[in-house]
Amino acid sequence: AQKITQTQPGMFVQEKEAVTLDCTYDTSDPSYGLFWYKQPSSGEMIFLIYQGSYDQQNATEGRYSLNFQKARKSANLVISASQLGDSAMYFCAMCGTALIFGKGTTLSVSS
Amino acid sequence: EAQVTQNPRYLITVTGKKLTVTCSQNMNHEYMSWYRQDPGLGLRQIYYSMNVEVTDKGDVPEGYKVSRKEKRNFPLILESPSPNQTSLYFCASSTGRVNTEAFFGQGTRLTVV
Repeated sequence: AQKITQTQPGMFVQEKEAVTLDCTYDTSDPSYGLFWYKQPSSGEMIFLIYQGSYDQQNATEGRYSLNFQKARKSANLVISASQLGDSAMYFCAMCGTALIFGKGTTLSVSS
Repeated sequence: EAQVTQNPRYLITVTGKKLTVTCSQNMNHEYMSWYRQDPGLGLRQIYYSMNVEVTDKGDVPEGYKVSRKEKRNFPLILESPSPNQTSLYFCASSTGRVNTEAFFGQGTRLTVV
């Protein structure tokens, strides 16, 4: 069975600092995709970044990068230079036979 | 603009009164799905559809129905809502079932009293 685990219910960081949100996954499928979504307090789901299981390089999108360690089955999101607007819930998700979400991590950025 | 549109955004209803949450996408996506989000549980898939007239159960289908008569629309039907269906619901669409980005609607916050 496929599973996504986010072990950090909440993270606190100061502006301009980097932060890593942890995500581990479990699947027996050789082909899968890993996603991170951001959910601000307004509720909408915002796609941030995608990593395919066969991608050789870690995905990057602006200040977001995905630290993909296939052997360890981890797909951590790294946000560089945090901003106040980064305060939100962050979900890791995996797409294999279905899109499965972790329970989320609440990130709070303070000035 | 490419988007997934859900309606209504907010709904308060009483136990047992049938309701429908609509979902429409303008991206010609084949794959659509419904999720519910509950505190501490993340998002869980209710139903999905791989194409017109093709639907299947997700992880938590009990108490819900869906239909896919047209490619763009995928309504979620609660025939007899109960308080345990109070939740935040999301519709999503994508070009395929695997390894493709899902586009989400704005969410529907449903309260059943």
